[in-house]
Amino acid sequence: GQNIDQPTEMTATEGAIVQINCTYQTSGFNGLFWYQQHAGEAPTFLSYNVLDGLEEKGRFSSFLSRSKGYSYLLLKELQMKDSASYLCAAMDSNYQLIWGAGTKLIIKP
Amino acid sequence: DVKVTQSSRYLVKRTGEKVFLECVQDMDHENMFWYRQDPGLGLRLIYFSYDVKMKEKGDIPEGYSVSREKKERFSLILESASTNQTSMYLCATQKGEVYEQYFGPGTRLTVT
Repeated sequence: GQNIDQPTEMTATEGAIVQINCTYQTSGFNGLFWYQQHAGEAPTFLSYNVLDGLEEKGRFSSFLSRSKGYSYLLLKELQMKDSASYLCAAMDSNYQLIWGAGTKLIIKP
Repeated sequence: DVKVTQSSRYLVKRTGEKVFLECVQDMDHENMFWYRQDPGLGLRLIYFSYDVKMKEKGDIPEGYSVSREKKERFSLILESASTNQTSMYLCATQKGEVYEQYFGPGTRLTVT
């Protein structure tokens, strides 16, 4: 079957770095998405990886290893506004997104 | 900027009622989706549409139907609401197959 695994909750300190991991199993693969979702709000797009390697976008970076079925989202210089859930989603061979349950990130001062 | 709007942020309905949730987008995106989001679960796809008058079942279509009469509008219909349909409903749009999805603000539906 198709499956996405990511930690349920993580805690980090303001100004620090945090890495949120995601492993996936899908029927075919057309890329890996990360979304941010603040409480009570809609998910918003952060990144898309389809090739192996690291893609950097400001304080946020996303990594993909297709051979390992693994991705991570790296958040640097954490700010209180980064407190949110981070959703990992893999696109299968039918271009459908398979979503993880999300990782709730708590930032402490 | 893409704008996706949903007809209601909060909705309370009684068991057995027919419920309409509407989604409107202003960016001429071909693809539109309806998801539900429940605590501890990933987003689950109910229905999607790649074009006007076209619809495809997602992973959990039972108890739902959809309508897409115009490109910008995608409606989700609960024919006879049940308490297990209490959830957050999210509409999303997408320009093409391998592009990010843009989400509406969501409708939190409570069925009593």
